[in-house]
Amino acid sequence: IVLTQSPGTLSVSPGEKVTLSCRASQSVSGDYLAWFQQKRGQVPRLLIYAASNRATGIPDRFSGSGSGTDFSLTISRLEPEDFAVYYCQQYGSAPSFSFGLGTRLE
Amino acid sequence: EVKLVQSGEGSAQAGGSLRLTCAASGFILNNYGLNWVRQAPGKGLEWIAYISSSGNTIYYDDSVQGRFTISRDNAGSTLYLEMNRLRVEDTAVYYCGSPSVGRFLYDYWGQGSLVTVSS
Repeated sequence: IVLTQSPGTLSVSPGEKVTLSCRASQSVSGDYLAWFQQKRGQVPRLLIYAASNRATGIPDRFSGSGSGTDFSLTISRLEPEDFAVYYCQQYGSAPSFSFGLGTRLE
Repeated sequence: EVKLVQSGEGSAQAGGSLRLTCAASGFILNNYGLNWVRQAPGKGLEWIAYISSSGNTIYYDDSVQGRFTISRDNAGSTLYLEMNRLRVEDTAVYYCGSPSVGRFLYDYWGQGSLVTVSS
């Protein structure tokens, strides 16, 4: 499955609402789709699993939605610490648990 | 406290071999499927291998299939990545982690291991 994330880069300001897209080339089994945040030089951080479930400790301004082939991550009010690269990953359809290429928030 | 501590990073010549180790503490490793993910300099995340909790199911990305071997020692709470026939394009930071049980994913990662392959 190929995951296509759009846009590649998004220029936004703190306080804005943003929605990031992740489109799969085939249906993701079980909607096992995760979103990760990564800041420069840091380990990835899990935000959302199974399309819409927030990981432990993730603020409720982050939300995930979608099913099948179309998924999205919404950040309701951008905080300064949210400027990072965001990746989606599917982990339901073997044998490849691919990542998308990422969306950079600047 | 849950910790995944990686070791074995280093440099190799193309065609050579390296072994990465990921030692877990603070959780029962054998309950979870585990992954290796890598990130080449300036590039995005790339999933490369998965092993189920029992070790009976293993998947690889095409880029490493036949060259890399993922394995686990549940008694020793350790995950391994044996890398053979290394290529220059395998140069990356390698992360173990992202344990899973069915639909549930957990936010545990190793600190990353830099692997540099030279020609």
